[in-house]
Amino acid sequence: DARVTQTPRHKVTEMGQEVTMRCQPILGHNTVFWYRQTMMQGLELLAYFRNRAPLDDSGMPKDRFSAEMPDATLATLKIQPSEPRDSAVYFCASGLVKGLAGDRFETQYFGPGTRLLVL
Amino acid sequence: AQKITQTQPGMFVQEKEAVTLDCTYDTSDPSYGLFWYKQPSSGEMIFLIYQGSYDQQNATEGRYSLNFQKARKSANLVISASQLGDSAMYFCAMREGRRGNDYKLSFGAGTTVTVRA
Repeated sequence: DARVTQTPRHKVTEMGQEVTMRCQPILGHNTVFWYRQTMMQGLELLAYFRNRAPLDDSGMPKDRFSAEMPDATLATLKIQPSEPRDSAVYFCASGLVKGLAGDRFETQYFGPGTRLLVL
Repeated sequence: AQKITQTQPGMFVQEKEAVTLDCTYDTSDPSYGLFWYKQPSSGEMIFLIYQGSYDQQNATEGRYSLNFQKARKSANLVISASQLGDSAMYFCAMREGRRGNDYKLSFGAGTTVTVRA
């Protein structure tokens, strides 16, 4: 049963520290998404990759957040420096776009999330 | 304007009964996709069911079915024969077919379902 994996599952850190979250998308998937979930804002899209290329990171605070895909099996989301307002659950999701002739709206499969608390 | 509206913040349902979760959406795009996700207390987001705007029939997946009423812009989720494990938050989401922007999922606020024994 293929799943998206995320590490760490929980992270507690102090303000100002760097936080790195990792995601392994489902093998063969060519799209990766980073979301943030908070009680106040709900689910927000932070970044989107297709075939490892970043296509949209407009949802991320540019000065402190960065997202990369060093290879097809790893996506990373970094926060430097972290702030208390970054406390949230961060989800990675992956999907497979089959092309114009296929199912254009691919399903996004979510990982278990990283629960981040910045003190 | 909200693209996805879920008007029921919380619901209680008796075990083995059916429950309907409301979802209305707003789009002017003729091509869109509608999704339902389940988020149990463990926090993971679990994909349940998908309905495309051009699909002629309502989607079904096991005990889940989607009551798709296109003219009313409604995509209600029906869970039949509720089980205790169905207790969770349920999110309705939509993707629109605008060129270059068709990857974004718009989520509703969610509905919490509690199944009583």
